[in-house]
Parts: sequence; C-alpha cells; structure tokens
Amino acid sequence: AQKVTQAQTEISVVEKEDVTLDCVYETRDTTYYLFWYKQPPSGELVFLIRRNSFDEQNEISGRYSWNFQKSTSSFNFTITASQVVDSAVYFCALSEALTGFQKLVFGTGTRLLVSP
Amino acid sequence: GAGVSQSPSNKVTEKGKDVELRCDPISGHTALYWYRQSLGQGLEFLIYFQGNSAPDKSGLPSDRFSAERTGGSVSTLTIQRTQQEDSAVYLCASTKRSLAGTDTQYFGPGTRLTVL
Repeated sequence: AQKVTQAQTEISVVEKEDVTLDCVYETRDTTYYLFWYKQPPSGELVFLIRRNSFDEQNEISGRYSWNFQKSTSSFNFTITASQVVDSAVYFCALSEALTGFQKLVFGTGTRLLVSP
Repeated sequence: GAGVSQSPSNKVTEKGKDVELRCDPISGHTALYWYRQSLGQGLEFLIYFQGNSAPDKSGLPSDRFSAERTGGSVSTLTIQRTQQEDSAVYLCASTKRSLAGTDTQYFGPGTRLTVL
C-alpha cells in the first residue's frame, strides 16, 4: 500500500526565513512519481513539481528547492526567503502508475503561515 | 487556455436530496479525475476517466456515488440521497494523455458541498 506522511501540521515563520516542509512516503513499487501541490486560500490545487523515482537530482526553481532521497524515502521541499504569498497548505503526493492513469495518494498537508 | 472549471462553486443541500457536480476539463485533456477533500479524510481519490470510460472507480465511497463523462469532455459526479458525511470539497483534475509517462494533473477550483 502507498502512504504519504507529512508530519508537520502547521508551520509559522516570519517573512524572509527559510522553511522546509517534510514528506516521507511508502511504496512497494520501484517506479513511482512524487509531487508537490500548493493550495492557497482560494482552494485550487496548484502543481509545483513532479519527480520520478529514477531521478534523485535535487531541483531548484527560484526560491523553491526539492531534496529527493530514496534512501530515506523522503521528498522535502524548501522555500528560501519566504514571503507572505507563500502562505498556503502544501501537499505531497505519490503516484505509482507509470503510464496513463495515475491515482494520486496525498499526505495530510502542511499549513504554512508566513507573517510580515 | 482556460483551466479546469467546476460548477457550482458552492452547493448547500438537505439530507436525502440528490446533487450533481460538474467538471469541465482543460481542452484536449483526455483523462479526468475526481477527488474529495474533507476534514476527516483529507484528499482522497474517487474515480478516473480515460475518454468516456471509467477504468477505476475504486474510490467511490458507496453506491450512492456515480459519475459519467460524455463526449470525452464534461463529467458529472452524482450523489444520491446525500448524507451529512458527504459534505466536502469535490475536486476535479485533468491530464493530457502522454506516451512519455505519467502526466501532471491540473486541478479545478472545486465544489464545496454542504449537506444539512
């Protein structure tokens, strides 16, 4: 069975602080995809990143970076120099399908509050 | 182009009534997914469509739930004899079927269903 754990329910930081959101996953498959989505107060899930299980290279996109470590089954997300607009709920998700259909298994989400 | 749209954005109904929720995927996207987001259960998969067929209905919580898709585009999720535990945000996502592997799901804004 697949499982995604986001142990941090809520994180509060002050603007310009760096913050890391943790994600730990469980799967029996050797091939899988990991995702991060952002859900701002408006409610719509916004896609941030997708990584496949064969690519453990860390990725950076502006202030966002992701650290994928298969050895610890973790896919952590770091926001550098956080801003108020980063306030949202962030979801980590896992998909075990290789082609076509993908059933996303989500973590419970981490609510990030960035204050001015 | 336009994103995934859902209607209505909010629906309040009385226990025992039937409701229909609509999803309009991104133009050209052949795969469509329904998820439910509730306080108790988090984000959970309901059903998946490829074209007009639904290869996976495993997430539908009971036989009161059904969904259809016509013309490979719009999908309707129907809940019969609604119960209070059906109260949740119902999210729709679509993907462009790709031969390169699993696709990224793009989500709509959701329909907030409240059953009184």
